[in-house]
Amino acid sequence: DIQMTQSPSSLSASVGDRVTITCRASQSISTFLNWYQQEPGKAPKLLIYTTLTLQSGVPSRFSGSGSGTDFTLTISSLQPGDSATYYCQQSYSTPHSFGQGTKVEIK
Amino acid sequence: QVQLVQSGAEVKKPGASVKVSCKASGFTFSSYAISWVRQAPGQGLEWMGWISGYNGNTNYAEKLQGRVTMTSDTSTSTAYMELRSLRSDDTAVYYCARRQLATPNWFDPWGQGTLVTVSS
Repeated sequence: DIQMTQSPSSLSASVGDRVTITCRASQSISTFLNWYQQEPGKAPKLLIYTTLTLQSGVPSRFSGSGSGTDFTLTISSLQPGDSATYYCQQSYSTPHSFGQGTKVEIK
Repeated sequence: QVQLVQSGAEVKKPGASVKVSCKASGFTFSSYAISWVRQAPGQGLEWMGWISGYNGNTNYAEKLQGRVTMTSDTSTSTAYMELRSLRSDDTAVYYCARRQLATPNWFDPWGQGTLVTVSS
């Protein structure tokens, strides 16, 4: 099974800050990496699929990059509504494992 | 609009079974698969498996093999997830999500979630 490891587990940043979340796969997953945002008490929401494609309606301040085993989610200018937990997920092979999540808080 | 609507919350005793439904609308059910993901209280997301809306093929997480069954009814565009021999650590919110049949795939949209509580 492919293990997904995110870092950091949590972070606190100010509005307007650039935020970067890293996701590492235990083996190469090509670009088969998705990112989800989950607000408290809500279902996850797709942000980015296949590493860098922004889902329709997602603000352009979100971006993704990487390939192979190392991937990054970047929020270019953190907004109050971005307070949430972010998960990466690989779709290279089953089980389609998730990272443990990164909780983003606004200072 | 594309939507998945799940059945309501359940409370079950240890050893019982639960069956959660996920009704799809706004897209052709047979052109997609439905994945199931669960989230224990305060924990992360755990992939449970998926069922093809095209031919009913399934793929389950190894840790749930033998206890989980995913089915679908194409006539009503509804997917079902049954979990048997429930234990306290099965207490979680269970989500369904639409995904592409092939690889690469991604989960969108998600159902609203169904809380299953296992307690004596």
